Amino acid sequence: QKEVEQDPGPLSVPEGAIVSLNCTYSNSAFQYFMWYRQYSRKGPELLMYTYSSGNKEDGRFTAQVDKSSKYISLFIRDSQPSDSATYLCAMDGMDSSYKLIFGSGTRLLVRP
Amino acid sequence: DAGITQSPRHKVTETGTPVTLRCHQTENHRYMYWYRQDPGHGLRLIHYSYGVKDTDKGEVSDGYSVSRSKTEDFLLTLESATSSQTSVYFCAISESGSIGVDSVNEQFFGPGTRLTVL
Repeated sequence: QKEVEQDPGPLSVPEGAIVSLNCTYSNSAFQYFMWYRQYSRKGPELLMYTYSSGNKEDGRFTAQVDKSSKYISLFIRDSQPSDSATYLCAMDGMDSSYKLIFGSGTRLLVRP
Repeated sequence: DAGITQSPRHKVTETGTPVTLRCHQTENHRYMYWYRQDPGHGLRLIHYSYGVKDTDKGEVSDGYSVSRSKTEDFLLTLESATSSQTSVYFCAISESGSIGVDSVNEQFFGPGTRLTVL
C-alpha cells in the first residue's frame, strides 16, 4: 500500500464548476500537507499548504485536512480553463532530510 | 522558476550507456533532490543531498548515483542505462526544514529532463 493515495483522473469539469481533489494517507505522523500544481511539461510548483488539521483559504482555493480520517482535500471554486493541470498532494517525510512523499497526481481538465 | 536549471532538457540514449544529468541552482539552498516522474507513480525520490558531499538514497535509488561537489551543482548518473529508466527527471531544491504553522519548507522544482533509453 502506498503511503499517499490519489485518484489519477482525469477529472473533466465545465468552467465555473467547483472542483474537489482528494488524497488519503496512512502515516498519522504527517504534519504538513501540501498541494502542488503541475502544468504540462513543467515542474511542479507549490500551490498551498496546511499545517496539521483545519482549513486554509487562498482566493478560489481551499485546502482542508481531516487527520482523524487521514484525508485531505483541495477545493477550487469558479474553476477556469487555466486551472487545467495535474494536482499533486505531498506530505512531509517527518525526518531530518525534509523529504516529501507525493501522491501520483490528479489530472484536471476545465472545459470552456 | 526559482533559479534552477537542468541539462540536458531532452536526451535519447541506448541501453548500457552511462548518462549524467545536471542540476544547477543559483539560490544557495542547502537541500537538493532528484525525482523521477512516471505515469501512475507520481514523483519518486531517487537521491537527495543535505550539503556538499552529503548525499543519501531515496526510495528508487538502484541503478543511480549522485555527486555534489559544490553547493550549486547536483549530478545524477545512470551508471548503465536501462529501458526502465526512461522517465522525466526533476531536480528540486529547498532551503531548510518545515519550521512552523505559518511557514513551510517549500521545494522548488526545475523544468525537468526527458530521458529516453532505447
